[in-house]
Amino acid sequence: DAGVIQSPRHEVTEMGQEVTLRCKPISGHDYLFWYRQTMMRGLELLIYFNNNVPIDDSGMPEDRFSAKMPNASFSTLKIQPSEPRDSAVYFCASTLGLRTDTQYFGPGTRLTVL
Amino acid sequence: KQEVTQIPAALSVPEGENLVLNCSFTDSAIYNLQWFRQDPGKGLTSLLLIQSSQREQTSGRLNASLDKSSGRSTLYIAASQPGDSATYLCAVTPYNTDKLIFGTGTRLQVFP
Repeated sequence: DAGVIQSPRHEVTEMGQEVTLRCKPISGHDYLFWYRQTMMRGLELLIYFNNNVPIDDSGMPEDRFSAKMPNASFSTLKIQPSEPRDSAVYFCASTLGLRTDTQYFGPGTRLTVL
Repeated sequence: KQEVTQIPAALSVPEGENLVLNCSFTDSAIYNLQWFRQDPGKGLTSLLLIQSSQREQTSGRLNASLDKSSGRSTLYIAASQPGDSATYLCAVTPYNTDKLIFGTGTRLQVFP
């Protein structure tokens, strides 16, 4: 398996623009997570899905952020409109079992909002 | 609220040294504790996962221990190598949240 795949790897956009980040989890994994990493706040969980259903979105910072998982092999995280404070590295991860198995992380998308 | 702390924040050692990274957590009600490695500009790679019923896990030169009652874990790296240079993060899965709570990491540099 190729592991968790994220695209794009780097994104530079201007304030106010819509940004869409993409993730393909490892085949067969039932859980998918979106994280954000910054120097100030470290790694934060934004939202996670189980069998394509959002389970906990309490980490989503505000209504400008939305995430979807239309099928077991694809998820998106959208920011609209983007702001400079959204600049961070966004990671997607997947796992077989929430409490028993490790999470496998993608390489991340480095987002810069000017 | 569960909090995870890692000490030291940064560590620089010569090649060949045995070293210990520390992780502490405030609430012992956890399912498991995990250690990850993060290389610059890369994602996280899982190193070891210790279930709450276990005391330690080993993989090659790495050994992680868990003392749940005292809220502590240590990652022991034997015979360190320059390739071990990375940031090491620990994370716990608390009861009733099912979400990984990460520490802030220890940045390790091993010089030849």
